[in-house]
Amino acid sequence: GNSVTQMEGPVTLSEEAFLTINCTYTATGYPSLFWYVQYPGEGLQLLLKATKADDKGSNKGFEATYRKETTSFHLEKGSVQVSDSAVYFCALSEMNRDDKIIFGKGTRLHILP
Amino acid sequence: DVKVTQSSRYLVKRTGEKVFLECVQDMDHENMFWYRQDPGLGLRLIYFSYDVKMKEKGDIPEGYSVSREKKERFSLILESASTNQTSMYLCASSFGRGITDTQYFGPGTRLTVL
Repeated sequence: GNSVTQMEGPVTLSEEAFLTINCTYTATGYPSLFWYVQYPGEGLQLLLKATKADDKGSNKGFEATYRKETTSFHLEKGSVQVSDSAVYFCALSEMNRDDKIIFGKGTRLHILP
Repeated sequence: DVKVTQSSRYLVKRTGEKVFLECVQDMDHENMFWYRQDPGLGLRLIYFSYDVKMKEKGDIPEGYSVSREKKERFSLILESASTNQTSMYLCASSFGRGITDTQYFGPGTRLTVL
């Protein structure tokens, strides 16, 4: 079945550091890939998405590229801020099968000032 | 903007009580979902619904039921709450009908069962 594996946290970085959170997936067909973010005390919100191979999703300085050859969708940001501290979830869906999304377990990110 | 609201942010109940968690979305979405979120386990799908009066079991439906009498409202019911149902509950909705698969989440309800 379909699955998502992301690096375990917590990840602790200093402000302005470079961020990578790894995500790999297993899927049949051609899934859409997502990164969701959950700030403290809130629900999840969509950060970025990509719907086909080689697409790059980007938002708020974060980027992720859909790599079909390596079945990966790693999240990157060049210079993190304290306000980026949150839990990040990688996820996939196969819209033609059903509308469910499969989430990774989440990676908690702490940014130190 | 899509808005998904949940009836309570925090709830404390006693073992054996019947608990209702309400979720309302204002974007005419077809699909609605209930998840629970626990440390180390991520999000797990409890139930979902593709249309009014329709429901489908997710990965962990035991001990829960749902109701969708109106398109905008999806209720999660704990018939007899137990301590292992202490968790964060998240509701989500999406357009469905093959339009887009992006889900929009409510703020969550943190339920404690004593």
